[in-house]
Amino acid sequence: QVQLVQSGAEVKKPGASVKVSCKVSGHTLTELSMHWVRQAPGKGLEWMGGFDPESGKTIYAQRFRGRVTMTEDTSRDVVYLELRSLRSEDTAVYYCAILWSFNWFDPWGQGTLVTVSS
Amino acid sequence: DIQMTQSPSTLSASVGDRVTITCRASQGISRWLAWFQQKPGKAPNLLIYKASSLKNGVPSRFSGSGSGTEFTLTITSLQPDDFATYYCQHYNSYSGASFGRGTKVEIK
Repeated sequence: QVQLVQSGAEVKKPGASVKVSCKVSGHTLTELSMHWVRQAPGKGLEWMGGFDPESGKTIYAQRFRGRVTMTEDTSRDVVYLELRSLRSEDTAVYYCAILWSFNWFDPWGQGTLVTVSS
Repeated sequence: DIQMTQSPSTLSASVGDRVTITCRASQGISRWLAWFQQKPGKAPNLLIYKASSLKNGVPSRFSGSGSGTEFTLTITSLQPDDFATYYCQHYNSYSGASFGRGTKVEIK
C-alpha cells in the first residue's frame, strides 16, 4: 500500500521561500506521477503542478509558473515542492498526491500547513 | 483550460436521504472524472474514478454516473459519516488538473 508522509508545518515571512517534502513508501518513486495541490483556509482545492506521464515532463499551473519548482530525490523516494516570493495569499495546506492512469489522485499526503505572515 | 462547475455549493439533508451532486465540464471529457470526499482537517479521499468506478472499500451507497460534460455523484441513504465536502476533479496533459468548487453536505 502506497503511503505519503509530508514534512511539518512552516511559518514564513512575506518574500521568503518554503520547501515542503513528501516521502513515498510502498512503491518506487520513479514509477509514480507525483503532484501538489493546495487548499487555502476555508477554500477549495487548487492544483499546482506535477509530473505528467504523457509528456514525461513536470507541468505547472499557469498562475504558479516562475515561482514554483517540483523536484524528486529518487534515492530517498522523496519529492519536494519549493514556492518562492511568498505572500499572505499563499497561506494554505499543501498536499502531495499520486496521479493514476492519467486521471485521478490517490492517495494524498496528510498535508503541510504553510503560514505566511509578517 | 477546462472548468469544472459543481452544484449545489451547499446541501442540507437528513440521515437516510438520497443526495445528488452535479458536476459540469466546460467541454467534453469523456468519462475522465473523479469524486472526492473531504472532512475538516483531513486530506481528500478518493470515492469514484472514471466517472462511475467505485474505489475498493468505499461503501456501495456511493455511485457516480455521466459522461461528456455532465456528471453526478449520488449517495443513497445518507449516513452520519457522510456529512462532508465533496469535490469533482478532471485531469488532462494539456492543462493539468481542475477541481470543482466543492459541495458541502450538512445536517438539516
